[in-house]
Amino acid sequence: RKEVEQDPGPFNVPEGATVAFNCTYSNSASQSFFWYRQDCRKEPKLLMSVYSSGNEDGRFTAQLNRASQYISLLIRDSKLSDSATYLCVVKPGGYNKLIFGAGTRLAVHP
Amino acid sequence: ETGVTQSPTHLIKTRGQQVTLRCSSQSGHNTVSWYQQALGQGPQFIFQYYREEENGRGNFPPRFSGLQFPNYSSELNVNALELDDSALYLCASSLEVQGYGYTFGSGTRLTVV
Repeated sequence: RKEVEQDPGPFNVPEGATVAFNCTYSNSASQSFFWYRQDCRKEPKLLMSVYSSGNEDGRFTAQLNRASQYISLLIRDSKLSDSATYLCVVKPGGYNKLIFGAGTRLAVHP
Repeated sequence: ETGVTQSPTHLIKTRGQQVTLRCSSQSGHNTVSWYQQALGQGPQFIFQYYREEENGRGNFPPRFSGLQFPNYSSELNVNALELDDSALYLCASSLEVQGYGYTFGSGTRLTVV
């Protein structure tokens, strides 16, 4: 079983749609959680950290459920510029590495 | 403030050859981590360097090795290249080993033929 699992997609949605991505992780000792965005053939860039209380950054909302070992990302009012791969990332406690999911591809069309 | 820079951007090598990839960390960052991203996959942790010592390693064979220099820049060396080593190699710098300020470079795309 992979340490971080995501639906690979692709998710094809029209502009203005709301889309949700889900992610599960296997290590219950994981300490920090993130969503990264990766454009085609580019490096990953931090989109947002994910906190237990849930957090929002503009059109983006992230949620964490430690009991279910589940992370989500909600994008409201999708823009063409949101088209990218979204990577769910976990940082185990006491470890110095990031563990990435395989990513979920989002394509927003006019 | 300069970001993370990697060189070269693209590279083609023949199976069995050796390759060296380079990374300059972001100003003020003293920790460098290397990741391998195969097509269609997320980045996989190779190893991390802190104070010129390897500080954690992922599930990669010994033919993947590295160095960190006093100015915090780093090299990734891969010996006896295999076709499966074809990937995007990403360098990320951070402040201290537990730092959350990971900044990725734009990567080196290695093709092994």
